[in-house]
Amino acid sequence: DAGITQSPRHKVTETGTPVTLRCHQTENHRYMYWYRQDPGHGLRLIHYSYGVKDTDKGEVSDGYSVSRSKTEDFLLTLESATSSQTSVYFCAISENRSNQPQHFGDGTRLSIL
Amino acid sequence: DQQVKQNSPSLSVQEGRISILNCDYTNSMFDYFLWYKKYPAEGPTFLISISSIKDKNEDGRFTVFLNKSAKHLSLHIVPSQPGDSAVYFCAATIQGAQKLVFGQGTRLTINP
Repeated sequence: DAGITQSPRHKVTETGTPVTLRCHQTENHRYMYWYRQDPGHGLRLIHYSYGVKDTDKGEVSDGYSVSRSKTEDFLLTLESATSSQTSVYFCAISENRSNQPQHFGDGTRLSIL
Repeated sequence: DQQVKQNSPSLSVQEGRISILNCDYTNSMFDYFLWYKKYPAEGPTFLISISSIKDKNEDGRFTVFLNKSAKHLSLHIVPSQPGDSAVYFCAATIQGAQKLVFGQGTRLTINP
């Protein structure tokens, strides 16, 4: 299995609070991704990174920010959480070669009350 | 605008029979397609992929078929086993783009 660790695995918080999710990889892969999974929508890309300090938006980036200061860590921040951000969040990594599949972490279940 | 669609939310198949999961896409620029399998409380796991230069790719019990003119791909699992019960996602990308677009998923249940 790809060495991907997401933390925390579960979190419950209140509307308006800041939340940071962490993704840590031991594979030294260049690309890292954050997705959210919601019923009826599959997985939707929030943000991704193509190198240290290099990030770009995905299809559902509003309300989220990311940072990547080291190759191995990719942080997802909800500056002021809303109930619509209740979801399961997955981190993924991939190598810098064409047609390489992304490998996923086990997810963080986030509930915003 | 859902560019990748899995129109069957669920599918139930008897053990030993063939399971066929379907996926449609709208973006003709997509040229690489993947299937992922997901168990509860785990992340998706890569299963099999196919490039648009092919129309079939096989890996053991799993075969993916691509019909470019119909913008349709399917995953065949033969024979189906209880451990195949999971949610299956298809995904599409443009080679080199490094971003995947996922379908909504199909929950496959294999009955003994």
